[in-house]
Amino acid sequence: DVKVTQSSRYLVKRTGEKVFLECVQDMDHENMFWYRQDPGLGLRLIYFSYDVKMKEKGDIPEGYSVSREKKERFSLILESASTNQTSMYLCASSLSRIRVNTEAFFGQGTRLTVV
Amino acid sequence: AQSVTQLDSQVPVFEEAPVELRCNYSSSVSVYLFWYVQYPNQGLQLLLKYLSGSTLVESINGFEAEFNKSQTSFHLRKPSVHISDTAEYFCAVTRQTGANNLFFGTGTRLTVIP
Repeated sequence: DVKVTQSSRYLVKRTGEKVFLECVQDMDHENMFWYRQDPGLGLRLIYFSYDVKMKEKGDIPEGYSVSREKKERFSLILESASTNQTSMYLCASSLSRIRVNTEAFFGQGTRLTVV
Repeated sequence: AQSVTQLDSQVPVFEEAPVELRCNYSSSVSVYLFWYVQYPNQGLQLLLKYLSGSTLVESINGFEAEFNKSQTSFHLRKPSVHISDTAEYFCAVTRQTGANNLFFGTGTRLTVIP
């Protein structure tokens, strides 16, 4: 089974801190995604990556950056955390850009609270 | 671009009653359609998907969804719900070609009442 692991289930950070959310997948998937989930808004795509060192902006990239130095790892970075970034963050992976009909596999999520 | 509309944010239903969760999508290109389920304190899991062929697709736990191209809908149904079906359900679409990002609806919280 595909496993997508997010490093933390819960995080509490202070305003202005630099925050790293880590995600690792173990099935050699090419695609990786970061979403945030907020009540009433569903899942919104922050950034995605189709390959190592490659990144593309999603719908709400402002205030975030990402890093993909290795195929299995995709990191989300909040350069200076703000209270409006309090949310549930979900990482996902899928097989490849070509195989678009394959499902995405999700991690358990990281609930981030910025105080 | 693609978009997904789930009009019902919350659906309460009694145990063993039928349920329908509505999903409509908008896209200028052909799409694949998915339903994901999120149980409390967990990530999302694929429930079922429509890729091609028969417009009626089924999951292993009794849910089914029907792709209706003319109405651009992909409603999820179950004839008899269980307490364990209490969860949030997300409809999603992705293009058949090109960038394969998933576009999600806002979710429907299904609560099964004993």
